Amino acid sequence: QQQVKQSPQSLIVQKGGISIINCAYENTAFDYFPWYQQFPGKGPALLIAIRPDVSEKKEGRFTISFNKSAKQFSLHIMDSQPGDSATYFCAASMHNFNKFYFGSGTKLNVKP
Amino acid sequence: SQTIHQWPATLVQPVGSPLSLECTVEGTSNPNLYWYRQAAGRGLQLLFYSVGIGQISSEVPQNLSASRPQDRQFILSSKKLLLSDSGFYLCAWRRPSSYEQYFGPGTRLTVT
Repeated sequence: QQQVKQSPQSLIVQKGGISIINCAYENTAFDYFPWYQQFPGKGPALLIAIRPDVSEKKEGRFTISFNKSAKQFSLHIMDSQPGDSATYFCAASMHNFNKFYFGSGTKLNVKP
Repeated sequence: SQTIHQWPATLVQPVGSPLSLECTVEGTSNPNLYWYRQAAGRGLQLLFYSVGIGQISSEVPQNLSASRPQDRQFILSSKKLLLSDSGFYLCAWRRPSSYEQYFGPGTRLTVT
């Protein structure tokens, strides 16, 4: 059973546009939802994360929207830039739990 | 500050040869440590995790093994590599008391 489902698999956005990546999770006990950004040949870097006690978290051009009732969360990249072109992974975990469940990844290509 | 190291960065090994990949974390004590594998263009597969010296949990049955001989050292090994072992191997760490998980730079393994 896939605990975290991510979509779309790939995304093409024009420079200056908004990139939106969605994730859905199964386990209502999850209480930590991070997003990672991975450039080719590099390890994933923690980008932004949210706890379920808030519906939105913003850091610069990156925003997580969280819908607890729908068990969904999404990453919005405002004013997308070519330098944002990377693969993005969502994940879910919980306190005192040793594992993370990752989505399958979204390859973002921002066209200049 | 904390730093995670992995070596080697790249490795080309023939089928049937042994493998040893090393991961070390600096600047923290008693971290949770993880080994992931990422096939080309694919998501993150958790292989092993460890919550302390000598404590290893295996997630996927295969011809790989892991060991944690010291608090901040995590080793991934194989006695005989298969072609299917090719991939990008990522080490990650997490403080037991916090949520955030951080990845190392990765090792690109090609089995020929």
